[in-house]
Amino acid sequence: KQEVTQIPAALSVPEGENLVLNCSFTDSAIYNLQWFRQDPGKGLTSLLLIQSSQREQTSGRLNASLDKSSGRSTLYIAASQPGDSATYLCAVVVAAGNKLTFGGGTRVLVKP
Amino acid sequence: ETGVTQTPRHLVMGMTNKKSLKCEQHLGHNAMYWYKQSAKKPLELMFVYNFKEQTENNSVPSRFSPECPNSSHLFLHLHTLQPEDSALYLCASSQGMAGTYEQYFGPGTRLTVT
Repeated sequence: KQEVTQIPAALSVPEGENLVLNCSFTDSAIYNLQWFRQDPGKGLTSLLLIQSSQREQTSGRLNASLDKSSGRSTLYIAASQPGDSATYLCAVVVAAGNKLTFGGGTRVLVKP
Repeated sequence: ETGVTQTPRHLVMGMTNKKSLKCEQHLGHNAMYWYKQSAKKPLELMFVYNFKEQTENNSVPSRFSPECPNSSHLFLHLHTLQPEDSALYLCASSQGMAGTYEQYFGPGTRLTVT
């Protein structure tokens, strides 16, 4: 059974510092991995999707890497801003279809 | 704002009530999903529909009953719920089933069972 873990559960950084968020999964046979952002009490916004054949994806200040063999993905957010404060979730899709298995998320606070 | 809407946004119901949650997607997608997000637990997939057919039921109790009349609409009918069913219920949609496509989420319905 695929399990997804995100450590730490919470993170606080001063504005301008780079953010590094970790995601690990137990079964390396994934189809893709997706990073989401969730603001309090709201739905999820997709940030980046990395196919299993890719090693990284970039969008603006966001960069996500994927190392399937070690079961890890890292989301980097450069030059953090207070507006980046949110919970960040990673989720993997197993090869058997469209089911997303989520991690517990990392709650990020960027202090001005 | 995403192309997935959910109503109501908040719902308080007693354990003997019957209510329904509604989800509508305006993205032309073919797959729709219900997820449950409880405090201190990871998001859990509940149901998956592809082209109006249910393709996954993740061992969800029968007091939750999904309905997908067409590819744009998804309902979750609720009856005789328990307090532990209080959670944020999220709907999502995606273009297809291959796992290649991103899932787009609605804002959720905050459900409180009293």
